[in-house]
Amino acid sequence: GQQVMQIPQYQHVQEGEDFTTYCNSSTTLSNIQWYKQRPGGHPVFLIQLVKSGEVKKQKRLTFQFGEAKKNSSLHITATQTTDVGTYFCAARNTGTASKLTFGTGTRLQVTL
Amino acid sequence: DVKVTQSSRYLVKRTGEKVFLECVQDMDHENMFWYRQDPGLGLRLIYFSYDVKMKEKGDIPEGYSVSREKKERFSLILESASTNQTSMYLCASSLPVTYNEQFFGPGTRLTVL
Repeated sequence: GQQVMQIPQYQHVQEGEDFTTYCNSSTTLSNIQWYKQRPGGHPVFLIQLVKSGEVKKQKRLTFQFGEAKKNSSLHITATQTTDVGTYFCAARNTGTASKLTFGTGTRLQVTL
Repeated sequence: DVKVTQSSRYLVKRTGEKVFLECVQDMDHENMFWYRQDPGLGLRLIYFSYDVKMKEKGDIPEGYSVSREKKERFSLILESASTNQTSMYLCASSLPVTYNEQFFGPGTRLTVL
């Protein structure tokens, strides 16, 4: 099946530093979604990107979809302790309308 | 708000037992999914269903089966539990529209001894 690689697997930052996680697919994607899972919680939808080169922002979070629709990134500016959790990308191939393939996730730890 | 509930938060079973994991959603979603989550492997799709009595295999269906007799309920069955099925199991639901988010339940942490 399709594979979606996500890096890094883990990152530890000081509060106020920036953070970026990257998601890569070997195939062209229909769209990509991002989820956040707090420690002990379940994944919660953050955003969806559909168009080639699309950039969306949610406060300190910036999401990008690559021009070739094969990669995506999530950038957090000036991290806060509330950003702690695991961030997953979830990719949808063309022709698989309902099925998502999740990346392996990036666990973010933020310390004061 | 969409609510997805799972029958147990924690479950301990013995090797060889038949295990049922239940998931119920209250938003009339057509699509329902079962994933397992393991450290370093992310979420892997076991089975999904896009309608009552319909099911499709995901990426890792071996050792599992599912049942969807009612729209709101999707059950995951481990016919004969094995230790390598110890994991966190997450249920999700979504509308059938192509570009739709999935709503997850709280998860069931299953330990097979």
